[in-house]
Order: sequence, then C-alpha cells, then structure tokens
Amino acid sequence: DTGVSQDPRHKITKRGQNVTFRCDPISEHNRLYWYRQTLGQGPEFLTYFQNEAQLEKSRLLSDRFSAERPKGSFSTLEIQRTEQGDSAMYLCASSRQGNQPQHFGDGTRLSIL
Amino acid sequence: AQSVTQLGSHVSVSEGALVLLRCNYSSSVPPYLFWYVQYPNQGLQLLLKYTSAATLVKGINGFEAEFKKSETSFHLTKPSAHMSDAAEYFCAVSDYQGAQKLVFGQGTRLTINP
Repeated sequence: DTGVSQDPRHKITKRGQNVTFRCDPISEHNRLYWYRQTLGQGPEFLTYFQNEAQLEKSRLLSDRFSAERPKGSFSTLEIQRTEQGDSAMYLCASSRQGNQPQHFGDGTRLSIL
Repeated sequence: AQSVTQLGSHVSVSEGALVLLRCNYSSSVPPYLFWYVQYPNQGLQLLLKYTSAATLVKGINGFEAEFKKSETSFHLTKPSAHMSDAAEYFCAVSDYQGAQKLVFGQGTRLTINP
C-alpha cells in the first residue's frame, strides 16, 4: 500500500482565516480518523468516519470545525475563523474494519499568526 | 472512560542498554493496547499491538511489550538500545467495538547516549 497521505504538510495562516486539510487514506481502508496533537502531548481524537458516514465526533470539535468524506475515499477537515488555539498538528489515520490497527499520515502542521 | 498514563516524560539510556518505557491503562472493558513511535515532523508508526491473544507481544525493531491485567500495565522493552531508537513513544488504548478510537498517553521521549 502507498500509505496515508496528507496535504498540505504545513499551513501558516492569519487568525480569522479559513483553512482546509485533505487526507487520502490507504485505498482498501473503510475507516478514517482525525486526531489533533499539540506540542508535547499525545494525539487527541477529533472525529471518525466509516465509509462516508461520520459516526462520532469529539466535544473538542467545535462548530468551527467540519469534516467530510463525500465518497468514502478521501476526507477534508475545515476550520473556519481560525484562532491561536487551533495551532497544532492534525493527523489522519485509516484502518480496515474489525479491530485492525490504525495507520497514520505524516500530518498537517497548522500555525496561526 | 479509558485513559493511559505513561510514567516518565523523558527517558535517557546508553547505547546497548535496556530500554523500559512504562504504560498503565484504565479501561472498563477488555482493552486493545498499542505502542506507536513518532520521529520528528512525522506521523505515528505502529510498533506493536495487544488484542487479547498472547500477553507477550513482539513488535518491530526488536521491541516487545507484556500485558499484565493485574497491574493494568503494558510496558515496552528492548534489550539493547540503538541510536536510531531515539524518538517519542506513545502508548494507546482502544475499545474492541464501536469507533475503536485511540486514547493516547502523553508520550515518552527516549534519548540514547553514545
């Protein structure tokens, strides 16, 4: 497999702007996860898709955040009206169904000026 | 709710010495447990996983971990450290059903001294 791909790798933006990240999972994986990792911390779960259905969202995912997986393949994570506290690494992971391990991409590092 | 505690945010060992990274978990259901490694500016790579089969789990790069239910622990070991092992290590727990989202510990930074 070619691994989980995330784009862009780095994003620098001004506070108040909107940003969108893309994740391409491993092709045969029907589960897709988004996590957020701040400096010196472990990743925290944001949301989860099984195929195109978004089945769970963390309370960390405020109404400024939205995620989609329109055809059950790639996913996008959008943050509207970015704030300083949104600065973090955003990680995407995918897996097969049935207690299979999650495979992570290299993440998108977001910096808010 | 599930949780993971990694004892020691920073561990330093000499090259060739034993590596021991500690992880304790809390889970109301039988857990699935994982160790991941993260190199700078990269994502997480799976080292090994425990899914209720053998309690001693062998992973990649010579690492292994032992599941001890009585101690709610899943410590990671490697008999002989190599310079390339220097990285951040994360222990994680998940449910065996539902979303199976991972709950991570805060990580342990491993430094290898020459």
